[in-house]
Amino acid sequence: DTGVSQDPRHKITKRGQNVTFRCDPISEHNRLYWYRQTLGQGPEFLTYFQNEAQLEKSRLLSDRFSAERPKGSFSTLEIQRTEQGDSAMYLCASRVVEEQFFGPGTRLTVL
Amino acid sequence: AQKVTQAQTEISVVEKEDVTLDCVYETRDTTYYLFWYKQPPSGELVFLIRRNSFDEQNEISGRYSWNFQKSTSSFNFTITASQVVDSAVYFCALSEFGSARQLTFGSGTQLTVLP
Repeated sequence: DTGVSQDPRHKITKRGQNVTFRCDPISEHNRLYWYRQTLGQGPEFLTYFQNEAQLEKSRLLSDRFSAERPKGSFSTLEIQRTEQGDSAMYLCASRVVEEQFFGPGTRLTVL
Repeated sequence: AQKVTQAQTEISVVEKEDVTLDCVYETRDTTYYLFWYKQPPSGELVFLIRRNSFDEQNEISGRYSWNFQKSTSSFNFTITASQVVDSAVYFCALSEFGSARQLTFGSGTQLTVLP
């Protein structure tokens, strides 16, 4: 399988807990994105990496959110002290030219 | 700031009907890219097409066709002879010519094709 993969696919957590998601992009894609999608809405941009450098962050990315791409390959998105409003689908995408290819997403439910 | 509007929240058609999904965008950039993605019930976003702002040629791919008109800032998507498998949420998206080129999505149109 050469597509974008994400792990886990589903995560249920209690308010106040920390969670971490992983994204493995398509191997030759040096650009990686995180988006968040809530029910009935289109995805919203969170952050962008080119290789290991985090070059852009949305205002949606509060200080409880942190993302890394340590070796320019896989990326992690951590949410600290989760809140019920963090419940959403977290999508990862990668690109090498203009098209972004998306992974299956991680659905987070905060109880 | 860029914005994408998909005014049709839900559309329901009977199989074999043609259906057009509307997309209107706003941007101050002269160079930008427009996209359509499909999100079936499984949830994964599937890339369908990309158009560059400097290329207004319409495109046809099988039963799918796209009509890009800069004069009206629209990028509409038509499915000819719809099939039940076309049932999904369709998103229009825009990226501007910058370093990140992040996508700005519309709110999507839920298409239901009835047998």
